[in-house]
Amino acid sequence: DTAVSQTPKYLVTQMGNDKSIKCEQNLGHDTMYWYKQDSKKFLKIMFSYNNKELIINETVPNRFSPKSPDKAHLNLHINSLELGDSAVYFCASSQEGFGANVLTFGAGSRLTVL
Amino acid sequence: QKEVEQNSGPLSVPEGAIASLNCTYSDRGSQSFFWYRQYSGKSPELIMFIYSNGDKEDGRFTAQLNKASQYVSLLIRDSQPSDSATYLCAVHNDMRFGAGTRLTVKP
Repeated sequence: DTAVSQTPKYLVTQMGNDKSIKCEQNLGHDTMYWYKQDSKKFLKIMFSYNNKELIINETVPNRFSPKSPDKAHLNLHINSLELGDSAVYFCASSQEGFGANVLTFGAGSRLTVL
Repeated sequence: QKEVEQNSGPLSVPEGAIASLNCTYSDRGSQSFFWYRQYSGKSPELIMFIYSNGDKEDGRFTAQLNKASQYVSLLIRDSQPSDSATYLCAVHNDMRFGAGTRLTVKP
């Protein structure tokens, strides 16, 4: 059973398009995250939701909009895609608790903008 | 701006040697610290976490934390070629990652 699943795994699209990446976790965790990993492999946090509430909102363009319909799902919608959005996007989840915020990552979604 | 700094490497060690990876952080309020390993084309996976000053050992891995100096390190003893990967330091409270250190263990 996959703990954190993301779809699609690969996404190739043209500049200016709008796309979404979906994430689901079956671990019962309270907190979910979106990270962006660029070509230099730097893993940058974008958003974090705890029980459907936004708790971390890093400085990302407002073309990126996360949505959490329930605590098991966190989707990422990107409007007006740009070349610089090409990256691997990782979803992760964790259970809050001192010393226990271990992240479980999905397999990643590789977005290529042409 | 909260920062987590790592030497990006690459770091190359011979098989059987000790690999030493370092991480510094700027937020003195940080409570817990994590080391993740990421193989090429894969997602990060946890190696270990630490939240008390001192050393924490798990098999060939030892994490060291010094909150006064704001650094955390990871030692890998008896390095194996299968340890070749990028090692990522992460800092709670906001699960921010360093840039990662790429380690190559040469047979």
